[in-house]
Amino acid sequence: EAGVAQSPRYKIIEKRQSVAFWCNPISGHATLYWYQQILGQGPKLLIQFQNNGVVDDSQLPKDRFSAERLKGVDSTLKIQPAKLEDSAVYLCASSLDPFAIGAEAFFGQGTRLTVV
Amino acid sequence: AQTVTQSQPEMSVQEAETVTLSCTYDTSESDYYLFWYKQPPSRQMILVIRQEAYKQQNATENRFSVNFQKAAKSFSLKISDSQLGDAAMYFCAYSGGTGNQFYFGTGTSLTVIP
Repeated sequence: EAGVAQSPRYKIIEKRQSVAFWCNPISGHATLYWYQQILGQGPKLLIQFQNNGVVDDSQLPKDRFSAERLKGVDSTLKIQPAKLEDSAVYLCASSLDPFAIGAEAFFGQGTRLTVV
Repeated sequence: AQTVTQSQPEMSVQEAETVTLSCTYDTSESDYYLFWYKQPPSRQMILVIRQEAYKQQNATENRFSVNFQKAAKSFSLKISDSQLGDAAMYFCAYSGGTGNQFYFGTGTSLTVIP
């Protein structure tokens, strides 16, 4: 089975520019997560989707970050405008059953964003 | 709020030896899972082992086992017969409550010395 696909793998932008990341979860997985992982830290949940609805976006900086999951499949995460502190790895993950506590989350390889 | 704490930023182990990584967590939930994920330099997080809070028996997956102490809210990972391929960042994670959100610790960087 194909894993979680993310693109691009790397992105370098100047501050105040905009950037978008794309994620294609494992087929049939209802839950999709976006995490931000700053160097030396653990992943921090930005937003969680169940199908195409938002379950939790309490830690998403909504003044600059936005995310959507069209048709409950692919998802994009956008930052506009970017700040230096947004430099991080952005991880996408998916899991099969949103109601099954303990369901494994499968992760993509992430996008490393550098803001200069 | 749920918190996960890993107090060992770095650990090292000789090849073929055993190492234990520590994790503590805080929650008011009664039903939850705990995980150990491995993140190699490729950045892709891979599930190592998972433990359900209701199960008293500690989970085991080949060379990986956990010591789950529910009352103490402790969840350590033991790696036996360490191999060079075990070198990676290891993250302890908690999942529970509505929505099945995952909360991660800050990670432990494991070095395996040949």
